[in-house]
This record gives sequence, C-alpha cells and structure tokens, in this order.
Amino acid sequence: GAVVSQHPSWVICKSGTSVKIECRSLDFQATTMFWYRQFPKQSLMLMATSNEGSKATYEQGVEKDKFLINHASLTLSTLTVTSAHPEDSSFYICSADPRLAVTDTQYFGPGTRLTVL
Amino acid sequence: GENVEQHPSTLSVQEGDSAVIKCTYSDSASNYFPWYKQELGKRPQLIIDIRSNVGEKKDQRIAVTLNKTAKHFSLHITETQPEDSAVYFCASDTGRRALTFGSGTRLQVQP
Repeated sequence: GAVVSQHPSWVICKSGTSVKIECRSLDFQATTMFWYRQFPKQSLMLMATSNEGSKATYEQGVEKDKFLINHASLTLSTLTVTSAHPEDSSFYICSADPRLAVTDTQYFGPGTRLTVL
Repeated sequence: GENVEQHPSTLSVQEGDSAVIKCTYSDSASNYFPWYKQELGKRPQLIIDIRSNVGEKKDQRIAVTLNKTAKHFSLHITETQPEDSAVYFCASDTGRRALTFGSGTRLQVQP
C-alpha cells in the first residue's frame, strides 16, 4: 500500500512552453501533498505545500505565478511550470501525506525529470 | 526557518565497516527526523526515522540516535555492503509535515 505515482516520468519541452506534472496517491487519500525540486547532485528543496480545496503555500523564493499548483481532489495534485526556461530543468518530486495517527511517514512519487531546451 | 546541516558530503568505507552520518538542525520545534536513501534518478526511500521523544532506534544494521539538547541526530550503518552505496539524506519536520532536507552524503562501500 501507500503508492504515489507521478506523470510523466520525464518530459522535454521548448523554452517558453508550459508543462503539467501530475501526482496521484493510488491507494490512500491525501489532504496534503508536497512538491520538491532537486537539481543535479543537490538536495531536495521544498517548493510548496498543496492542500486539497485551498490555495497552495509556497516557500520563500518560489514564484507562485510560475509554478501553478492545483489540488482538486484527495488523490491528485498537479504542478504546472509555466513559460519554462532552461533554468527550470530539474527533477520534480511530490510526496503525499496520509496524515495517519500512527506514523509521520509521507510517501514520495518517483519523480519527473524536466528538461527545457 | 529550519536549517539542516549534514556531514560528511562523501564517505568511503570498506565492505563490512561501519558508516556514520551526522546532521544538526536549528529549530527546536522539530519533532520528526527521517533518513532517506536515494539512488540515481529515483525517489528517496525511507530507511529509518525517529521522533523527538525517543533517543535511539534500531532496525537490523541501521540505527539512528537523537540528541535533542544538542540538536543533532546521526545515522549508523553497520556491516556495510556494496548495495548500501547511495546518497543518504537526513531531514527534519517542525510539525507542519513538510520536510527540510540536509545536503546529502554520498556513501561508497568498497568491496
């Protein structure tokens, strides 16, 4: 159990285009999902917290108009990178929090590698 | 905000030896400390975690210790094997469920 999927697993796009990444919790409901970004050979950095039915909370320095987050259901959050540029090329990973009383564990998706040409 | 520092950045050990990775955190409100193993291009994999009301936790060859007073926690891997080679990340949660990660340690186990 506790499986999180992401789609697509990789994407290559031209500069200036928009890319949507989906994060789904397959066998549990997640009122909260998190989006992280990981540049090559670096750590995971939290971008935003996605709450079902409400606006996302963005970390300092993350442009909310560039990284649009929608959490329309308890099993799906989407991240749209608008007007992507080469510096947005990164590994984007989501995690879903089942908010179980017995564990603090959150579950990570497999990641989406974005390459902007 | 929370800041997590991790050392060393790289660690090379001989197969069978022990490996220790150390992290410090800044926010005294942090109450949950997971450790992740990440292989190239893959998702982080939880290997062990500890809550702030516990000083030590062990799972077979892996153990984590926590010193709340000093705000540091450590990962101990005994009897290392080549398949333990990966990048390891510590993390902390201040209670808002989002994780702040350390900078990572690349562990290489030499056969």
